[in-house]
Amino acid sequence: AQSVAQPEDQVNVAEGNPLTVKCTYSVSGNPYLFWYVQYPNRGLQFLLKYITGDNLVKGSYGFEAEFNKSQTSFHLKKPSALVSDSALYFCAVRDGSSGDKLTFGTGTRLAVRP
Amino acid sequence: EPEVTQTPSHQVTQMGQEVILRCVPISNHLYFYWYRQILGQKVEFLVSFYNNEISEKSEIFDDQFSVERPDGSNFTLKIRSTKLEDSAMYFCASSGQAKNTGELFFGEGSRLTVL
Repeated sequence: AQSVAQPEDQVNVAEGNPLTVKCTYSVSGNPYLFWYVQYPNRGLQFLLKYITGDNLVKGSYGFEAEFNKSQTSFHLKKPSALVSDSALYFCAVRDGSSGDKLTFGTGTRLAVRP
Repeated sequence: EPEVTQTPSHQVTQMGQEVILRCVPISNHLYFYWYRQILGQKVEFLVSFYNNEISEKSEIFDDQFSVERPDGSNFTLKIRSTKLEDSAMYFCASSGQAKNTGELFFGEGSRLTVL
């Protein structure tokens, strides 16, 4: 079985400050990890993914995430938050050894105040 | 930029009625998915589809649900006899890369309201 935990329902940060949205995962085989963002009444937009290679991956809109195998984590980060980053963020995992099912976490709402 | 399109954007139906949600995946993609999201919360996997057959399905995807790719472009989700708890936003997604490594591209969703 595969699962994702996003321990924070909401993250609040001031514009210009760094942000972190936490994600931990559980999977039997190799973890393939993804971050998506959802704006109100919209679909999910892909931000970045980790499949293999460098543990630090960079994605859209200045976001990056670090894969940490020992801590089974894949936290999303951005050095300087924008008000327009306010949205719902989903971490997702796929077992690279079997299946194509992508399992999502419960989501973290990011609120960036001016 | 290519995108996944879904129709209808919103459908209201009576309990027990059949509903068909339609999706047009990105044209050169080979892997297709349906997910649902209840009240803007967790995104739940329903089914994956490749090479004209179901690859994987969740416990939610029971005998009341079916998927079809009738004409090589559309990808449909049918709910035979809707229940109140089927009310949700249904998202179609497609992927063009190798089965496990590719990111999914999502449509804007079809909101289903069952009364």
